[in-house]
Amino acid sequence: QQQVKQSPQSLIVQKGGISIINCAYENTAFDYFPWYQQFPGKGPALLIAIRPDVSEKKEGRFTISFNKSAKQFSLHIMDSQPGDSATYFCAASMRAAGNKLTFGGGTRVLVKP
Amino acid sequence: DTEVTQTPKHLVMGMTNKKSLKCEQHMGHRAMYWYKQKAKKPPELMFVYSYEKLSINESVPSRFSPECPNSSLLNLHLHALQPEDSALYLCASTRQENTEAFFGQGTRLTVV
Repeated sequence: QQQVKQSPQSLIVQKGGISIINCAYENTAFDYFPWYQQFPGKGPALLIAIRPDVSEKKEGRFTISFNKSAKQFSLHIMDSQPGDSATYFCAASMRAAGNKLTFGGGTRVLVKP
Repeated sequence: DTEVTQTPKHLVMGMTNKKSLKCEQHMGHRAMYWYKQKAKKPPELMFVYSYEKLSINESVPSRFSPECPNSSLLNLHLHALQPEDSALYLCASTRQENTEAFFGQGTRLTVV
């Protein structure tokens, strides 16, 4: 059972454009929602994270929007740059389950110059 | 120091070999994790150690054997692997009361 669904699977955006990735979860016990960026051959790196008591969080060009009632959250990458080309994973976890991360399927983002 | 260091970076092993993967962190984190990642797929949790004790085993085959000798070190012992076990093996750590996970660069394992 896939508990976190991520879309789209891939995304092409022009330099300077906005990349939007969406995730939906099923388990209302999740209490932490991070986004990870992964470059080929490297481990995932935490980009930004949010908890369900906040509806939006912004760090630089990266913004998470969180809709608790819809059980959805999304990542917006503003002013996308070629260096942002990577695979992005949303994830969810809960302290009651040992903080183990349940990942979405991933989105491959390509930013064209 | 916010690094999780994994060695080796690459490993090729035969199906009858015994090898070990090593993970080290010096952030004082008390929870450490092994994940397996196949190409174009998300990481999948294998094991969780909390305060040096195995707390979660995600029904991983016994040919994978984890070990946590101390709070900074995590090993994954490999024996009699199959070609389908070829993947990127990722180690991660978290402070027990914080869910931010730091990942290592991974070990690219190829079983021949």
